Order: sequence, then structure tokens, then C-alpha cells
Amino acid sequence: EAGVTQSPTHLIKTRGQQATLRCSPISGHTSVYWYQQALGLGLQFLLWYDEGEERNRGNFPPRFSGRQFPNYSSELNVNALELEDSALYLCASSLNTGGTSEAFFGQGTRLTVV
Amino acid sequence: QQQVKQSPQSLIVQKGGISIINCAYENTAFDYFPWYQQFPGKGPALLIAIRPDVSEKKEGRFTISFNKSAKQFSLHIMDSQPGDSATYFCAASMGYSGYSTLTFGKGTMLLVSP
Repeated sequence: EAGVTQSPTHLIKTRGQQATLRCSPISGHTSVYWYQQALGLGLQFLLWYDEGEERNRGNFPPRFSGRQFPNYSSELNVNALELEDSALYLCASSLNTGGTSEAFFGQGTRLTVV
Repeated sequence: QQQVKQSPQSLIVQKGGISIINCAYENTAFDYFPWYQQFPGKGPALLIAIRPDVSEKKEGRFTISFNKSAKQFSLHIMDSQPGDSATYFCAASMGYSGYSTLTFGKGTMLLVSP
């Protein structure tokens, strides 16, 4: 069974540009989560989507946005990129069975803003 | 504020020794405490998890100890092996309340010397 897949693996953008990151969850998983992993800061929660709806967002500015498609895949958009947005962006998926089902992570997209 | 504090930041243990990583939380509504293991270039993977109604859970060489009154939990790796060298993250959520978002500690980089 395929795991969580993220694309692209690496992305280099210039400050002020927009970045689009994509995630395909494990088949049957309806919840998708996005996390930012910046050096020394651990994993910071960005967004949670379930059944196509945004369920919660972390303490990030509105230029971080996303959506979940009918096939449960998801997209993270970062507008007006800043240098400090450089990080590993991780997507995870889980069955939405009350929140205790295991969250499976993808390998991430390494975003570099220059 | 939902926060999980993890220590130490890094840890060097000799092969065969015991690795101990500690976490403390503030939100008493947390009811699900997983530990994730992350190897370089990979996404985090669930290692072991515990609910607050038990004080200890053991899976192979990995043990979680939980102290509800102190709001602390720890990961013990017995007979540590070089293959255990990775970054470990503790996390917490209100999973059993249906709130799925995980709050992570900042991680501990473990190096097991041969």
C-alpha cells in the first residue's frame, strides 16, 4: 500500500513568489494535516483538513492557505514568500476515528526561499 | 497555551545503554501522548503512544512512563543500538476528545555510539 506522498521533493523560490505543495494521503484516510518543520523549532501545526473542510489552523499568517480535494488529496499554498518560510513542510494523513488513529507522515517538501 | 516541552535537545548514549527523553505538558485536556521517530530525509513515524489512564507502556525496547500529576512523560530506550540514532519527538493531543491536531515537542537528536 502506498504511503503519504508529497510533491515536489524540493522547491526553490524567490522572496515574494508563491509556492504550491501537494499531498496525497493514504487510501481511505480522510484527514490531512500540514506541519512546518523549521530548524530547531520542531513541528509546527499549520492546517487540518477533513472531508474537504478546514477543521483548524495553527498560528500562521493568512498567506498560508490550502484546500482538500474530493479525492482527499490536499494542496498547501504559501503566498508572498519570506526567507523565514524556508523549511521542511510535512503532510500527514489519518483515519478520522476520533483523533487517536495514527498519523502517517510523508517525506516532506523542502522549501527554500532565496 | 498548548505547549509541550522536550528535553534534552541532544543525547549521546553508548551502545547497550539506556536513552531517556523527557517531555512536560501544560494542557490537562491532552489525552493522547505519542512518540515519533524521524530519520534524516524521512518523515516522522509513530513509535509508541500512551493514554493518561496508564502509568507505563512497553513495546519491545521502548517504554513510555507517564506521570499525570506532574504532567510529564518520558521515553526510555533500553539496550540502545546505533540504528536507534534519530530525532525523537514527543507529542500530545486531545485525540480521545476528537481533536486530532498533534502538538509536538522540539525534538531530541539521539546518537548511539558503537
